[in-house]
Amino acid sequence: ETGVTQSPTHLIKTRGQQVTLRCSSQSGHNTVSWYQQALGQGPQFIFQYYREEENGRGNFPPRFSGLQFPNYSSELNVNALELDDSALYLCASSPDAGGAFSYEQYFGPGTRLTVT
Amino acid sequence: AQKVTQAQTEISVVEKEDVTLDCVYETRDTTYYLFWYKQPPSGELVFLIRRNSFDEQNEISGRYSWNFQKSTSSFNFTITASQVVDSAVYFCALSAPLTGANSKLTFGKGITLSVRP
Repeated sequence: ETGVTQSPTHLIKTRGQQVTLRCSSQSGHNTVSWYQQALGQGPQFIFQYYREEENGRGNFPPRFSGLQFPNYSSELNVNALELDDSALYLCASSPDAGGAFSYEQYFGPGTRLTVT
Repeated sequence: AQKVTQAQTEISVVEKEDVTLDCVYETRDTTYYLFWYKQPPSGELVFLIRRNSFDEQNEISGRYSWNFQKSTSSFNFTITASQVVDSAVYFCALSAPLTGANSKLTFGKGITLSVRP
């Protein structure tokens, strides 16, 4: 148990729709990262939020956006869904790095998104 | 740019066999961290180990051991006396710095390990 939860567990959407995925980090963890894991692949970094500000972004289009809230919860929003967005979406929280970037990231169980 | 290569895609062994999972990485950073994660069928990534670029000592934790060789940019993972519960997908990952003090992880494609009774 990592203390990181995600909802919903599974979700089915239609191409063109919008979706919001939610994550609740461990208390005290100021950083949350989101990853997309396509079937048979390793997780790909989408973006990271630190103290409610975007702190870095991977190679994903602007229709992928996020929010982080003061209560250690966060959201991943995806607009104009495409079939290729079907994947497992993982969030990971980590404590305040305090000058080092060595802290491991604690992953949630993921949300399985299917776009039809 | 960072890259992690896990050339093995699937490995099948019989219980009690030893098995080594290979990981090769590329980075231009002088300070970096390497990780191994386990992903059971439930989907959650389970942290196994973190190693920094300045510490090349091998590490052993129970049946697990890791061999970090900076000269060959490799960070291999060995399971001794494998058990059925070790069946999972194993990912090697490289930590790259982002702005400030935070980092992102770059993962390999993973190795599916099946341990047969």
